[in-house]
Amino acid sequence: KQEVTQIPAALSVPEGENLVLNCSFTDSAIYNLQWFRQDPGKGLTSLLLIQSSQREQTSGRLNASLDKSSGRSTLYIAASQPGDSATYLCAVMNSGYSTLTFGKGTMLLVSP
Amino acid sequence: DAGVIQSPRHEVTEMGQEVTLRCKPISGHDYLFWYRQTMMRGLELLIYFNNNVPIDDSGMPEDRFSAKMPNASFSTLKIQPSEPRDSAVYFCASSLRTWDSFTDTQYFGPGTRLTVL
Repeated sequence: KQEVTQIPAALSVPEGENLVLNCSFTDSAIYNLQWFRQDPGKGLTSLLLIQSSQREQTSGRLNASLDKSSGRSTLYIAASQPGDSATYLCAVMNSGYSTLTFGKGTMLLVSP
Repeated sequence: DAGVIQSPRHEVTEMGQEVTLRCKPISGHDYLFWYRQTMMRGLELLIYFNNNVPIDDSGMPEDRFSAKMPNASFSTLKIQPSEPRDSAVYFCASSLRTWDSFTDTQYFGPGTRLTVL
């Protein structure tokens, strides 16, 4: 059974810092890995999707990497802003399609 | 498109009552998912449908939970009878399977916060 772990559970940084969120998974047979953002009281929004054959994806200040063989992914946020404050969840789509297994998330607080 | 729509957004009920949560997926999507989110367990998949047919309900916690999808634009998740431990945020999500499944993602609704007293 796929298990996804995210470290740290919470992170507080001052505005402007670069930061890294970590995600690990136990079964490397995946279709893709996705990073989602969740704001309080809201649903999840997909930020980046990395296909199993890819190593990284970039969107603006966000960069996600994938090392499938070691079962790890990182989300790099450059020049953090208070508006980045949210919970970030990592999810893997297992090779049986459709099912996403989520980590418990990293709660990020960026202070002005 | 309005995105995935869920109702109600908040539900407070007493133990033993029946609770019905509703979801309207994005038009044209052929997969629909029900998730439950709690602090302790995170986000868990309860059940998912493909073309209105339940595919995997192994995540449904017990017989008190049931889900239906009578047509492509509507699904319900019912809890009967409800218990305090059912208190959680319930999310509905939908997706469209493409020929290149590796880029498929799920689109989430805003969730229903359920409190069972």
